[in-house]
Amino acid sequence: AQTVTQSQPEMSVQEAETVTLSCTYDTSESDYYLFWYKQPPSRQMILVIRQEAYKQQNATENRFSVNFQKAAKSFSLKISDSQLGDAAMYFCAYRSAKAGGTSYGKLTFGQGTILTVHP
Amino acid sequence: EPEVTQTPSHQVTQMGQEVILRCVPISNHLYFYWYRQILGQKVEFLVSFYNNEISEKSEIFDDQFSVERPDGSNFTLKIRSTKLEDSAMYFCASSSISGSYGYTFGSGTRLTVV
Repeated sequence: AQTVTQSQPEMSVQEAETVTLSCTYDTSESDYYLFWYKQPPSRQMILVIRQEAYKQQNATENRFSVNFQKAAKSFSLKISDSQLGDAAMYFCAYRSAKAGGTSYGKLTFGQGTILTVHP
Repeated sequence: EPEVTQTPSHQVTQMGQEVILRCVPISNHLYFYWYRQILGQKVEFLVSFYNNEISEKSEIFDDQFSVERPDGSNFTLKIRSTKLEDSAMYFCASSSISGSYGYTFGSGTRLTVV
């Protein structure tokens, strides 16, 4: 079964600075998707960024980018120019891309990292 | 932007009572999911639903749980006889046929069992 590990329960950053959140995962599959979700105090889950495992290029969405290291099974999220509104719990998640695979369709989440942004 | 709508936002129920949590997925999505998050813990998969049947379920999703798509728009999660440990945030999500773009989650229903 796939597992996702976020080893940083909490992180903090100064406004306008850069912070990197770590995520590692374990899978025997070669084709999959990885996601970062943001959960603000409202508790809604908001998709931040996604990465397809077959793509070597790291995904970027405005101030958010990832460092995807497939061999190392690592998927970190970098937030540049941090803003107060970035304060939230961030979850890394894995999804199999294989139809009929053991976890096809289901997202497996890490434990989450609470990000605090200081003004 | 299309949304997944969940009702109610908060429900309090007595232990042993039945509850039904409701969701309206995005209209052109074909895959539907329920997840749960116990306060302060990670988000856990409960069940996925496609083509009017369960496609996958977790060990959490025991006989006390059921899902239904009673009409063309609603997707419900029923807990037959609630326990204290069912207290959690329940999220509904939907995705397109591939799901490679991730899911769209609803804003959740906070269930409190007393």
